[in-house]
Amino acid sequence: KAGVTQTPRYLIKTRGQQVTLSCSPISGHRSVSWYQQTPGQGLQFLFEYFSETQRNKGNFPGRFSGRQFSNSRSEMNVSTLELGDSALYLCASHPDNSGNTIYFGEGSWLTVV
Amino acid sequence: AQSVTQLGSHVSVSEGALVLLRCNYSSSVPPYLFWYVQYPNQGLQLLLKYTSAATLVKGINGFEAEFKKSETSFHLTKPSAHMSDAAEYFCAVSESGGANSKLTFGKGITLSVRP
Repeated sequence: KAGVTQTPRYLIKTRGQQVTLSCSPISGHRSVSWYQQTPGQGLQFLFEYFSETQRNKGNFPGRFSGRQFSNSRSEMNVSTLELGDSALYLCASHPDNSGNTIYFGEGSWLTVV
Repeated sequence: AQSVTQLGSHVSVSEGALVLLRCNYSSSVPPYLFWYVQYPNQGLQLLLKYTSAATLVKGINGFEAEFKKSETSFHLTKPSAHMSDAAEYFCAVSESGGANSKLTFGKGITLSVRP
């Protein structure tokens, strides 16, 4: 069974640009969530999508957005990039049953210069 | 609101020694608790989880953790450290009782293993 797949793995962007990251969840998992990991703030929850609807949202500015498609694949977008957005962005998928394990992908490393 | 406290940012042990990584949580509802491990330049891998079944939870790679409600703790242990255990370890909590995949993580602890 394939795991959570994130693309691209590494990317470099310039301040002011926007970026789109993609996540394919484990087959059969309908919930996808995103986390940002930085050395200073640690792992922080961005948002969660289920059945193409945002079900939960963390405390991030509106520049961070996401969406989920009918096949459960998800994308997140960051607009008007700032240097502080440099981070590892992790996607996680969940079968959406209470207590089930949340599986993480390898992450997308974003560097903003 | 949920929170997780992992005391100390770095733990160093000798190979073969006991590993003890501490985690205390705060939750207004019965929690689900998790330990994840992250190797350099990789994502998070689940070590073990507590979901109100048994209080002593056994995970992969010889790790285990004990849920102690009275102490609001979920400490991770391994009887004998191996060089391959060197990594960063995260404790996380989520709310039980529903399909909730929002995890609140601790700051993480870097484990070093000396030869």
